Amino acid sequence: KAGVTQTPRYLIKTRGQQVTLSCSPISGHRSVSWYQQTPGQGLQFLFEYFSETQRNKGNFPGRFSGRQFSNSRSEMNVSTLELGDSALYLCASSSGRTNTGELFFGEGSRLTVL
Amino acid sequence: QKEVEQDPGPLSVPEGAIVSLNCTYSNSAFQYFMWYRQYSRKGPELLMYTYSSGNKEDGRFTAQVDKSSKYISLFIRDSQPSDSATYLCAMSGQMDSSYKLIFGSGTRLLVRP
Repeated sequence: KAGVTQTPRYLIKTRGQQVTLSCSPISGHRSVSWYQQTPGQGLQFLFEYFSETQRNKGNFPGRFSGRQFSNSRSEMNVSTLELGDSALYLCASSSGRTNTGELFFGEGSRLTVL
Repeated sequence: QKEVEQDPGPLSVPEGAIVSLNCTYSNSAFQYFMWYRQYSRKGPELLMYTYSSGNKEDGRFTAQVDKSSKYISLFIRDSQPSDSATYLCAMSGQMDSSYKLIFGSGTRLLVRP
């Protein structure tokens, strides 16, 4: 069974640009969550999508947005990039039937903002 | 005060040692407790998962939950260099009308050959 796939793995952007990250969950999983990981803040929850609907949202500004498609694939977008957005962005999938915290993570997209 | 506290380490031990990793938390509504392992430049992987209080063993790994003390532990027996990674505790539960999942900041473990 294929794991969670995230693309691109690495990218470099400049301040003010926008970026779109993609995540393909494990087959059959309907929930996709996004996290930002930085050395100083650890894993910070961005949002969760289940069956194309945002089910939970973290405390991030509106520049961070996401969506989920009918095949459960998800994208997140960050607009007007700031230096502080440099981080590892992790996508995690789960069956989503119950919220227990059993997540399967991808390898992440490492974003550097110059 | 953070909802979940975890010593960042690094924790350095010789090969074969017993490792104890711990987290404390403040919210008694947490019901599910997890340990994730994260190797450098990789995503976290679920290592252990427990519901409510008690112990759970899986090979060299034992997860322990003490809800009365709001304290969870992960023990690694006969530690190996391949266990060198960052270990994140996580806990979740239904609070008010929403579900909450919180990760600790992670403890970096180095097992010396």
